[in-house]
Amino acid sequence: DVKVTQSSRYLVKRTGEKVFLECVQDMDHENMFWYRQDPGLGLRLIYFSYDVKMKEKGDIPEGYSVSREKKERFSLILESASTNQTSMYLCASSPGTAELGQYFGPGTRLTVT
Amino acid sequence: GENVEQHPSTLSVQEGDSAVIKCTYSDSASNYFPWYKQELGKRPQLIIDIRSNVGEKKDQRIAVTLNKTAKHFSLHITETQPEDSAVYFCAASTGANNLFFGTGTRLTVIP
Repeated sequence: DVKVTQSSRYLVKRTGEKVFLECVQDMDHENMFWYRQDPGLGLRLIYFSYDVKMKEKGDIPEGYSVSREKKERFSLILESASTNQTSMYLCASSPGTAELGQYFGPGTRLTVT
Repeated sequence: GENVEQHPSTLSVQEGDSAVIKCTYSDSASNYFPWYKQELGKRPQLIIDIRSNVGEKKDQRIAVTLNKTAKHFSLHITETQPEDSAVYFCAASTGANNLFFGTGTRLTVIP
């Protein structure tokens, strides 16, 4: 079974803090994704990576950055957290094209106060 | 880029009835359409998908239909059960690595 894990299930941070969300997959997948999930807005892609040290902007990259130093690990960074970044963050990985499926992590619910 | 719209946003049905969720897409190059189910507090999981060379696909109580001309596809669940209660997301892909997701439908099956 593909296993995608995220560093925290729940996180509370203060406005202006730097926040790191980590995602690890154990199936040697090429692609990794960070989504944000908000009620009524579905899953919106923040960034994705198709190889180590490679990254591509998704639909809503503003206020976020990412890092992929190793194939199995993809980090999402909020340089200066703001209250409008309170959300559920989902990581996913896939072995190749979309038809091969995306495998999601359990999510991190981030609250910025 | 691709824009996927999904309706309805919420749907309540009596146990045993059918449920239908509809999605439209904008990019005629899209050729792969998966559906993901997210139960409360859990991660989204792929339940069924369809490729553009197929008009319909069934897997037990769930089926997906695709109308390429009209650029819409639908999820049909028959004989609904309480465990079908979840949020369902449709998605579309042009064959690249990304998926473009709809906004989700919260299905509640009333026992």
